[in-house]
Amino acid sequence: ILNVEQSPQSLHVQEGDSTNFTCSFPSSNFYALHWYRWETAKSPEALFVMTLNGDEKKKGRISATLNTKEGYSYLYIKGSQPEDSATYLCALDGIKAAGNKLTFGGGTRVLVKP
Amino acid sequence: NAGVMQNPRHLVRRRGQEARLRCSPMKGHSHVYWYRQLPEEGLKFMVYLQKENIIDESGMPKERFSAEFPKEGPSILRIQQVVRGDSAAYFCASSPGTGLYEQYFGPGTRLTVT
Repeated sequence: ILNVEQSPQSLHVQEGDSTNFTCSFPSSNFYALHWYRWETAKSPEALFVMTLNGDEKKKGRISATLNTKEGYSYLYIKGSQPEDSATYLCALDGIKAAGNKLTFGGGTRVLVKP
Repeated sequence: NAGVMQNPRHLVRRRGQEARLRCSPMKGHSHVYWYRQLPEEGLKFMVYLQKENIIDESGMPKERFSAEFPKEGPSILRIQQVVRGDSAAYFCASSPGTGLYEQYFGPGTRLTVT
């Protein structure tokens, strides 16, 4: 059973501040890591798919880094805005067998205070 | 380009009834994944299907649950003789292939068993 951990479970950020949080996963069983943003009452929205050690991806004010050797990824939000309030999920795509079933972490719930 | 569609969005069933959840993948996507979110838990993989084939059902409960993705029409997740523990949000995702593809999620079906 793959164990994907996210920390912290929740955090409050003041508008304009930057923040980051962690996703850790077993490095021995890695094919790709996905990040999703999930707003209440909406569908999870894909942010990034990352596969290479040292990979960095960016979308607007959100970026992510990946360390496959030690088994972690960071998601960064620069200059947080209220619309960034959401739950951020990471999901591990383990060693490729058949298809790409994702093992999700529990999420980090971000609340940006105006 | 319509996204992944799921219906119904909300479904109420009495114990012992059958529940049928439908998922229409994005246009051009032939890979469908079903995930379940039990109350206070994260998203958990249930089953992965391609047209007319179940590829991986390792996350499906052994009894009462079945899934199909016929040549024509939506993917169906069927739960027979529902019990209160089946109450959850069921999400469908689709992708155009295997490999480094994002999975696009539908809005989910919230099943309540009374």
